[in-house]
Amino acid sequence: QVQLIESGGGVVQPGRSLRLSCAASGFPFNIYTMYWVRQAPVKGLEWVALMSSDGAQKNYADSVKGRFAISRDNSKNTLFLEMNSLIIEDTAVYYCAKDGPVVGRADAFDIWGQGTMVTVSS
Amino acid sequence: DIQMTQSPSSVSASVGDRVTITCRASQGISSGLAWYQQIPGKAPKLLIYAASSLQSGVPSRFSGSGSGTDFTLTISSLRPEDFATYYCQQTNSFPRTFGQGTRVEIK
Repeated sequence: QVQLIESGGGVVQPGRSLRLSCAASGFPFNIYTMYWVRQAPVKGLEWVALMSSDGAQKNYADSVKGRFAISRDNSKNTLFLEMNSLIIEDTAVYYCAKDGPVVGRADAFDIWGQGTMVTVSS
Repeated sequence: DIQMTQSPSSVSASVGDRVTITCRASQGISSGLAWYQQIPGKAPKLLIYAASSLQSGVPSRFSGSGSGTDFTLTISSLRPEDFATYYCQQTNSFPRTFGQGTRVEIK
């Protein structure tokens, strides 16, 4: 079945780095744009980053631009988020999500992972 | 950035009630609007895309309408499993901004 599984979250001190992974299965990963979305505790949803199917297009929220880097390995059906210079405000559940439901239409995020928690604390 | 404003922020309703949630964009987004349902502790779930298209597997009591700047999500007859928080999201431009959410609570 179509599935996204995030990993790599944890507790990290301010200023340090963390790398999140999202393993995809059940669909042709290499033809879909993929996203990262985060949700701070008891807060709403915030889009973080996107990467096009071929990796040529990347886009970031202003709040993470210059600190976070999205990448993907289509041979391993995996999406990544490299998070550097972490700050307290980056504390959140991080979800990866798939573009869909129609490929290439960018209508919505139709499949979401279960999320991985990142806590930035001294 | 396009700002998305949902109203109300919360609504108390009973099983069987009709519930309507509105979402307003700060500028025109054509039909680039999606709706999601989030149950506490779970990932969001896509309900509606392209303003009015029902995602596969979503019950027909959910419907979406609107274009331009004003959109609505309607639940025609509330069921116990529908008590959750609902978010709109514009998909017309980047960043893909979300509304602040509307919590549907049991009356």
